[in-house]
Amino acid sequence: GAVVSQHPSRVICKSGTSVKIECRSLDFQATTMFWYRQFPKQSLMLMATSNEGSKATYEQGVEKDKFLINHASLTLSTLTVTSAHPEDSSFYICSARSGTGVSPLHFGNGTRLTVT
Amino acid sequence: DQQVKQNSPSLSVQEGRISILNCDYTNSMFDYFLWYKKYPAEGPTFLISISSIKDKNEDGRFTVFLNKSAKHLSLHIVPSQPGDSAVYFCAASDPDYGQNFVFGPGTRLSVLP
Repeated sequence: GAVVSQHPSRVICKSGTSVKIECRSLDFQATTMFWYRQFPKQSLMLMATSNEGSKATYEQGVEKDKFLINHASLTLSTLTVTSAHPEDSSFYICSARSGTGVSPLHFGNGTRLTVT
Repeated sequence: DQQVKQNSPSLSVQEGRISILNCDYTNSMFDYFLWYKKYPAEGPTFLISISSIKDKNEDGRFTVFLNKSAKHLSLHIVPSQPGDSAVYFCAASDPDYGQNFVFGPGTRLSVLP
C-alpha cells in the first residue's frame, strides 16, 4: 500500500531556533500534501495544503511566515517551524492522497516537537 | 461549526464483543467517508472507506455502514480485540473541498481483556 514517511519522529529544540520536518511519499507521487497539528486529546487540525511547484494554502489562523512549507518535488514536502517557541510544541503530521477520486489519505507517523 | 461529529469521546467494550463507533455529518455534499485508527504518538492508519453510492462495506472484522438520509455512519468491529484499543477518527470528503478530508474529533476505544 501507499506509504508516507515523515522525519524526524521526535525533535527537541531551543526557543528561537528553526526546525524542519520532512514528508515523503515513498511509492507514489503526490501533487498535494497536507500538514496537520494535533493537540493532546484533540482531533487533527489542518494547518496547510502543500502544492507541488506552487505556494501552500494556509488555513485561517495559521501564520504562514512561522510555518514555512515547501513542496519542491512530487514526493517531498517540508514544514519548517521558524523561531520556535514553547507554544509550538505539538505533534505534527503530514498526509498525502495516493490517487484521485475515491482514494484515502495516507499519513506519516508524525513528528513530536518539543521546544524548550 | 463541526461538520463531522463523533459524539462519544470514549467507548469501552469487552474482548470478543462488538464495538460500534458512530459518526454524524452535516454536509450533504460529502460523498466519501473513511475511518482511521490512531495510536498515541503515531500517524493515523487507514482502516476502511465507503462511498456514498453504497450503504455497507466490509473488510474482515471491520464493517462500515452508511445511512445517507440520516447523515450517519458507523464502524462495527467484531470480534473486538485488545489491539483494537486506539482512537478512531471518522473523516468525510467534499469534492468542493479539494483533496482533503474533514475529520471528526475521534472516539477512544478501549477493549478490555
